[in-house]
Amino acid sequence: RKEVEQDPGPFNVPEGATVAFNCTYSNSASQSFFWYRQDCRKEPKLLMSVYSSGNEDGRFTAQLNRASQYISLLIRDSKLSDSATYLCAVNELYGGYNKLIFGAGTRLAVHP
Amino acid sequence: DAEITQSPRHKITETGRQVTLACHQTWNHNNMFWYRQDLGHGLRLIHYSYGVQDTNKGEVSDGYSVSRSNTEDLPLTLESAASSQTSVYFCASRKDEQNTEAFFGQGTRLTVV
Repeated sequence: RKEVEQDPGPFNVPEGATVAFNCTYSNSASQSFFWYRQDCRKEPKLLMSVYSSGNEDGRFTAQLNRASQYISLLIRDSKLSDSATYLCAVNELYGGYNKLIFGAGTRLAVHP
Repeated sequence: DAEITQSPRHKITETGRQVTLACHQTWNHNNMFWYRQDLGHGLRLIHYSYGVQDTNKGEVSDGYSVSRSNTEDLPLTLESAASSQTSVYFCASRKDEQNTEAFFGQGTRLTVV
């Protein structure tokens, strides 16, 4: 089983739609979680961190479910500019050092 | 402004040649990472370093090596390039704190022919 798994999509949605992505992780000791956005042929960039209580940034909401070991990203009122690949990342601790493990990414295509 | 840069951005090489990809960061981060990204696999960790003279193998380290002689640089070497190493390579750096963001270079697109 992969350490971090995501539905690869693609998710094809019309503008204005609400779309949600899930990401599961295998290491129950993981403490920190992130969503990154990656545009075609570009480097990944941090979209938002995921906090235990859930957090919101404009149209984006991130949730963490420790019991079921998954994180989610909800995008409301989708825009054409939201089209990208969304990568979840999980911080794992190895021998006192931090390592980021990424999922394979979920592709989102927003159409007019 | 602090940044992380990779070079070259694109490279074509022949099977069997040794290739080195450069990564330089001015964030003064101790932690640096090399990932490769292939369709269907996402970002896979090749090697990483938590400081000068420290290097560690990631999940796909065979055929690759790194060295860390200073804080700013983590070059990635392909000892004898193979077609299976055709990929996009990303370098990243990060503070050694679990809640912190990783910053990525712009990537190197390597083709082995």
